[in-house]
Amino acid sequence: AQTVTQSQPEMSVQEAETVTLSCTYDTSESDYYLFWYKQPPSRQMILVIRQEAYKQQNATENRFSVNFQKAAKSFSLKISDSQLGDAAMYFCAYRTYNTDKLIFGTGTRLQVFP
Amino acid sequence: DAGITQSPRHKVTETGTPVTLRCHQTENHRYMYWYRQDPGHGLRLIHYSYGVKDTDKGEVSDGYSVSRSKTEDFLLTLESATSSQTSVYFCAISKQGSAEAFFGQGTRLTVV
Repeated sequence: AQTVTQSQPEMSVQEAETVTLSCTYDTSESDYYLFWYKQPPSRQMILVIRQEAYKQQNATENRFSVNFQKAAKSFSLKISDSQLGDAAMYFCAYRTYNTDKLIFGTGTRLQVFP
Repeated sequence: DAGITQSPRHKVTETGTPVTLRCHQTENHRYMYWYRQDPGHGLRLIHYSYGVKDTDKGEVSDGYSVSRSKTEDFLLTLESATSSQTSVYFCAISKQGSAEAFFGQGTRLTVV
């Protein structure tokens, strides 16, 4: 069975600095999809970035980028130039290729200090 | 906003009673999911559906059942509610592959 592990329950960063959130996963599949979602206090789930496992190039969305290491089964999220609005819970997610089962990690709470 | 609504938004029920939560979508997405969110556990998959009458278990399916008789509705039933099922429940919908999943607003369920 696939599992997603986020080993950092909480992280903090100063405004304008860079922070990296870690995510590892376990799977026997070669094709799959990875995501980072953000959940602010409103409880709304917002897609931050996605990565297809067959793509070697790391995904980037403005200030958000990932470091996808397929062999190590690692998928970290880097937030550059952190802003106060980035404060939220961040969830790493894995989606199976064949069945589209979507599973999440336990989340990392990010605090941003001015 | 994606057309997905959960009902009810809040519910208090007594131990041992059956409870049904409803997820309704207007997007015609094939995939629908039910999660529960608890502090320290993140989002845990209860059940998901990949089509009408096609469902599969997630990691915490014990005590829960689901049904999907129409594309737009995915029902989650707690057969006999227990206090350990007090949680916030989220429904999500998605197309396949790398498509974004859209989430409902959540249902806060309290079992007393």
